[in-house]
Amino acid sequence: RKEVEQDPGPFNVPEGATVAFNCTYSNSASQSFFWYRQDCRKEPKLLMSVYSSGNEDGRFTAQLNRASQYISLLIRDSKLSDSATYLCVVNEGSQGNLIFGKGTKLSVKP
Amino acid sequence: EAQVTQNPRYLITVTGKKLTVTCSQNMNHEYMSWYRQDPGLGLRQIYYSMNVEVTDKGDVPEGYKVSRKEKRNFPLILESPSPNQTSLYFCASRRGANYGYTFGSGTRLTVV
Repeated sequence: RKEVEQDPGPFNVPEGATVAFNCTYSNSASQSFFWYRQDCRKEPKLLMSVYSSGNEDGRFTAQLNRASQYISLLIRDSKLSDSATYLCVVNEGSQGNLIFGKGTKLSVKP
Repeated sequence: EAQVTQNPRYLITVTGKKLTVTCSQNMNHEYMSWYRQDPGLGLRQIYYSMNVEVTDKGDVPEGYKVSRKEKRNFPLILESPSPNQTSLYFCASRRGANYGYTFGSGTRLTVV
């Protein structure tokens, strides 16, 4: 079974801090990568896709390192509203079945 | 509004009483999937479907059935629910193999 591993946290950071999450995956054939955000007892929501060249969306930057098989998410200038669990998601291969990591919990404090 | 709709949102039932959780999407997505989420275990896939009449087992299919007779609907059936199926269930859909899932709001099921 292919795996996606994340540090469970929690990461407790002050407002305004920069925080980074890493995620490793075991299937070298994986082609699609995503970060999801999940608030407590709510459905996961797509935060951003991760592209080979890296990509940015406002305060969020995602990067992919295929050689080392990990992806990262950087959040700059953390807001209280960023408090959530962040899920790393990788497709399993040619059929594209998605594998979810167990998530990293982030708590941003005033 | 593009969405995945699952019903009911909350359900308390008794052991052995058959139930169905409905899931419908209005985005003409090919792929649909069911997940359950339990504390400490993350999201675990129950079944998925890549097209009408095409379904396959995920990681934890025991005790569940699905069907995909139409593209928009993907109901989850528990023929004889047991307490270990108490969980938070999510239905999800996506356009194709290289896309992310859009999730429904979840169904919190308690089996007593």
